[in-house]
Amino acid sequence: DAGVIQSPRHEVTEMGQEVTLRCKPISGHDYLFWYRQTMMRGLELLIYFNNNVPIDDSGMPEDRFSAKMPNASFSTLKIQPSEPRDSAVYFCASSLSSRGVEKLFFGSGTQLSVL
Amino acid sequence: AQSVSQHNHHVILSEAASLELGCNYSYGGTVNLFWYVQYPGQHLQLLLKYFSGDPLVKGIKGFEAEFIKSKFSFNLRKPSVQWSDTAEYFCAVRDGGSQGNLIFGKGTKLSVKP
Repeated sequence: DAGVIQSPRHEVTEMGQEVTLRCKPISGHDYLFWYRQTMMRGLELLIYFNNNVPIDDSGMPEDRFSAKMPNASFSTLKIQPSEPRDSAVYFCASSLSSRGVEKLFFGSGTQLSVL
Repeated sequence: AQSVSQHNHHVILSEAASLELGCNYSYGGTVNLFWYVQYPGQHLQLLLKYFSGDPLVKGIKGFEAEFIKSKFSFNLRKPSVQWSDTAEYFCAVRDGGSQGNLIFGKGTKLSVKP
């Protein structure tokens, strides 16, 4: 398996533009997480899904952020409009929930720079 | 709400020195505890985890961590670090009854001097 795949790897955009980050979880995994990593706040959970359904989006900073998971193999995190303070590394992770076995697999992240 | 504290932002050691990175969490119930590592330019990887049983957990690359319930701590240790251990280390906690919502500490950057 190729692991969790995120795209793009790097994104540079101007303030006010729409940004869409993409994630393909590991096949068969039923949980998907979006995290944001900044120097100031470390790793923060933004939202997570179970079987494509959003379970907890309390970490989403504001209405400019939205996430979708239209099917088990794809999720997007959208920022509209983007602001310089959104600059961070965004990680997607997936896991398989089964009794006694659990491990979170992370993607390589998307480094977002909003100018 | 749960929270995780990692006391050291940046630790600098020489090779062969012993390592202990502190992690404390705030949650009174059953917890699952994790340490993740992020090597330069790479993504996060699981080092070790604790769910139940022996509170001394051994992970990959010679790392271990000890769960001390009375102190709400899960410190990471390694007897002798190598230059290749240079990375950022994240402690994380999850409510033991839940499948989601992993809460991370802010991370500790470890720099090992050759």
